[in-house]
Amino acid sequence: AQSVTQLDSQVPVFEEAPVELRCNYSSSVSVYLFWYVQYPNQGLQLLLKYLSGSTLVKGINGFEAEFNKSQTSFHLRKPSVHISDTAEYFCAVSDYGGSQGNLIFGKGTKLSVKP
Amino acid sequence: GAGVSQSPSNKVTEKGKDVELRCDPISGHTALYWYRQSLGQGLEFLIYFQGNSAPDKSGLPSDRFSAERTGGSVSTLTIQRTQQEDSAVYLCASSLGALDEKLFFGSGTQLSVL
Repeated sequence: AQSVTQLDSQVPVFEEAPVELRCNYSSSVSVYLFWYVQYPNQGLQLLLKYLSGSTLVKGINGFEAEFNKSQTSFHLRKPSVHISDTAEYFCAVSDYGGSQGNLIFGKGTKLSVKP
Repeated sequence: GAGVSQSPSNKVTEKGKDVELRCDPISGHTALYWYRQSLGQGLEFLIYFQGNSAPDKSGLPSDRFSAERTGGSVSTLTIQRTQQEDSAVYLCASSLGALDEKLFFGSGTQLSVL
């Protein structure tokens, strides 16, 4: 079975500073990896995804994530954050080699950007 | 419709009562997911439909929970004999079909069991 671990439940950071939100997964089969974002009082939306190919994936709003198979990680990064990036970020994994048709989410990381 | 629609947006019920939550996915989306979002618990997978079939029901927390989907469209999540621990936001999402497809989420139903 798959699982997703987001090591930090909350990450406070100052505006224009870089940020990294960590995500590790476990799976016995090959996986697809996703980051979703939930802005205050809004629904979840896709930020970026890794399916195959280049391990560095670029998403919306200047975010990027790197898939590292040996470390089973998919950390999310942004070189310079804005106040508007304040939101909760969810890492998720789905397996395309197994029989289960579900998308497993981590518990989320709340990013708080301060002026 | 333009997006995934869930109703009601808020539901307050008494312990022991049954509730039914509805999800109307984006037209043409064959895959439909139910999740539960509780404070500090993140997103908990409940059940997934491909068409009208649910290949995996193991995510449902107890036998008080059931879900169905008819006509490959609308889905209902039913919770019988609600308990206070059932209080959460219940989210529905849909996608075109494959696991690599982007999920589109509804705004959720906030369920409060008193």
